[in-house]
Parts: sequence; structure tokens; C-alpha cells
Amino acid sequence: DAMVIQNPRYQVTQFGKPVTLSCSQTLNHNVMYWYQQKSSQAPKLLFHYYDKDFNNEADTPDNFQSRRPNTSFCFLDIRSPGLGDAAMYLCATSSHRGVRVKGSYNEQFFGPGTRLTVL
Amino acid sequence: AQKITQTQPGMFVQEKEAVTLDCTYDTSDQSYGLFWYKQPSSGEMIFLIYQGSYDEQNATEGRYSLNFQKARKSANLVISASQLGDSAMYFCAMREAYTGTASKLTFGTGTRLQVTL
Repeated sequence: DAMVIQNPRYQVTQFGKPVTLSCSQTLNHNVMYWYQQKSSQAPKLLFHYYDKDFNNEADTPDNFQSRRPNTSFCFLDIRSPGLGDAAMYLCATSSHRGVRVKGSYNEQFFGPGTRLTVL
Repeated sequence: AQKITQTQPGMFVQEKEAVTLDCTYDTSDQSYGLFWYKQPSSGEMIFLIYQGSYDEQNATEGRYSLNFQKARKSANLVISASQLGDSAMYFCAMREAYTGTASKLTFGTGTRLQVTL
């Protein structure tokens, strides 16, 4: 089945120690997103890639970076995690080819998330 | 700026009963899309149903239907014949005007639904 995969599902890191979260997809979607979801809150968009074009949200801290080496993979790097960065990180994908495809909702497909704990 | 409001932090419903989850939105865009997602305790966000701002009929997907009242800016989710597996967090989300380059969503704060026997 085509899907969005996130590894690891659970990540524990130490305060200030860099950490990388991974997302891969078999949907061949050209857009990939990273969301941060803190406990009992709505997901918050950090950034997204449209193909190789990186789009940062204005309020995303500089501590968060992302890489997309190819269509299938996208990484979230947290350079110096703080206690406030403990959250669920969700990766999502959608397909946008410049022209709205009739019958397509361009909905986002989400992975299972990585729950990050910062000690 | 777009805003999604879900006023019910938690809801209970008995198995086999119908339940309505409320969602109101605010936008100045004429063209927008409304989504409902389900998030079980496992964490994955599951797409349920979509309503476009120009769609004249309410969307339906199996046991899910969307009660879209454009003038009132509401997009309530109706789940018929609730099942125990419906227990989860439900998020309403809005997509800003389609740009052809992405599908950025603004989420509400969610409603936790608990289905009881």
C-alpha cells in the first residue's frame, strides 16, 4: 500500500543534542510538510517543500531545519532541542501538479508521527 | 487570517447513535476547502471528508457527512451509527485559497469523541 512512513516512532534526546527525524513516502507526491503537535493542541505547520522548493513558516524557530534529498524522503533536523520542543512531529504529503485535478481534493496524507521526548 | 473554531473539547456518544461535531470558520477568501481528520491515540491523522466552498451539495463519505452552512460559516461533521472504533480526536481544518503549489491547512483545536457501550 502507498503510504507515509516516519522513523523512529519514538525518539528520546537530551537537551541541546541534535536530533533528526525521518519521513519517507511511496505516494510520489511532490509536496511534503512537517507539523509540530504539542499535547492536546492542533498541529502547527513548520515548513513544506514543493518539489525542491523550501517554504518556511514565518514563526518557525531557526532551531528547526529540513532537508529533502529526493522526492521520497524528507528530514527534520532540530539543532539544539529544548524542553519546549517535546512534541509529536507529523509528516504529511500531498499532490499538486500546478493544475487542479478534477475530483482530487489535494488532501494531505499523514504519517504516524514521531513522538519526541527531550530530557 | 484564517481561523477554525471547535467549541467542543470532548463529546460522548453511545454506540450506534449519531453525533455531530461542530466546526466554525472565518476567512475572507471566496475559494477555500474544509477537511475533517480523525486522529486515534496512535497519532496518525486520517482524512475523513472534504467540502469545497463552491460545492452545492453536502459531502458524504460512508457514515460521515458534512453539514455545510456557508452563510453561517459552519462545517459540522455528522457521524452516523457510531462505533467503538470511532473514539478518537477529530480535527476540522481549512485550506486557504488554492495556489497550485501547496495545500496549507489551518487546524482547529479538536474534539475528543468517546463512544460508549
